[in-house]
Formats: sequence, C-alpha cells, structure tokens
Amino acid sequence: EAGVTQSPTHLIKTRGQQATLRCSPISGHTSVYWYQQALGLGLQFLLWYDEGEERNRGNFPPRFSGRQFPNYSSELNVNALELEDSALYLCASSFLERGNTIYFGEGSWLTVV
Amino acid sequence: SQKIEQNSEALNIQEGKTATLTCNYTNYSPAYLQWYRQDPGRGPVFLLLIRENEKEKRKERLKVTFDTTLKQSLFHITASQPADSATYLCALRPTGGTSYGKLTFGQGTILTVHP
Repeated sequence: EAGVTQSPTHLIKTRGQQATLRCSPISGHTSVYWYQQALGLGLQFLLWYDEGEERNRGNFPPRFSGRQFPNYSSELNVNALELEDSALYLCASSFLERGNTIYFGEGSWLTVV
Repeated sequence: SQKIEQNSEALNIQEGKTATLTCNYTNYSPAYLQWYRQDPGRGPVFLLLIRENEKEKRKERLKVTFDTTLKQSLFHITASQPADSATYLCALRPTGGTSYGKLTFGQGTILTVHP
C-alpha cells in the first residue's frame, strides 16, 4: 500500500513568488495535515483538512492557504514568499478518529531565494 | 498556554544501554500521546500511541509510560543500537475543544547511540 506522497521533492522560488505543494494521502484516509519544519526547528502545525473542509489552522498568516479535493488529495499554497518560508513542508494523513495516528510523507523542501 | 516540552535537546548513550526520553505537557485536556522518530531530512515515522487510561505500552525494544497526574510520558529504548540514533518526538492530540485535530509536537530529543 502506498504511503503519503508529496510533490515536488524540492522547489526553489524567488521572494514574492507563489509556491504550490501537493499531497496524496494514504488510500482511505480522509484527513490531511500540513506541517512546516524550518531547519533545526520543530514541527509547526499549519492546516488540517477533512472531507474537503478546513478544520483547524495554526498560527500562520493568511498567505498560507490550501484546499482538499474530492479525492482527498490536498495542496498547500504559499503566496508572497518570504525568505523565512524556506523549510521542509510535511503532509500527513489519517482516518478522522480521535487519537488516531497520522502518517507522514517525506516532505517537500521549499527554498526561497 | 499549552506546552509540550521534551527535557533535553540531545542525549548520548553507549550501545547496549537503555535510553530514556522525557516528555512533559501543560494545559492539555486528557489526550492520546504519541511518539515518533525522525531521521534527518525525512518525515517523522510513528512508533507508539498510548491512551490516557493506559499506564504503559510496549513494542519490541520500545516502552512508553504515561502519567496523567504528573503530565509526563517516558519513552525507553532498551538494548540501544547505533541504528536507533535519530530525533524522537512526542506529540499530543487533544480529544476535544478548539484544538481538536491539531497534533502538536515537542521540539524533539536528538538521540545518539555510540558503538
């Protein structure tokens, strides 16, 4: 069974541009989570989607947004990129069940120059 | 405010010894607590989940305890091996309230097992 897949693996953008990252959850999972991990720092919760709806959001500015498609895949958009947005962006998926485990993809490295 | 703290940034031990990592939390409602392993540049991998009504859970050389009175979880790796070297993260998912669904991670402890 395929795990969570993310694309692209690496992305280089210029400050002010927009970046789009994509995630395909494990088959059957309805929830998708996005986390940011800047170099040497911990995982910061960005967004949680379930059944196409945004369920919760972390302390990030509105230029971080996303959506979940009917097939449960998701994309994360970051507008007006800043140098500090350079990080590993991790997607995870789960069944929507209290306390259930989330399974991570390998991440997308975003570098803003 | 809600906090998850892992007591040390780095832990160095000799091969064969038991590694013990600590996770403390404050201002969380009863929750499930999870431990993950993360290798450099890779996504975290789930290791163990323990529920609030469970005191201890084991999986092979791993053992997790959960004390909701102390608001603390201990993660043990027995007979440690160099291959166990990684960052270990604890994570907490509230079972209700506005933070529901938000799995929050500690900063992690970097474990290095020396041959």
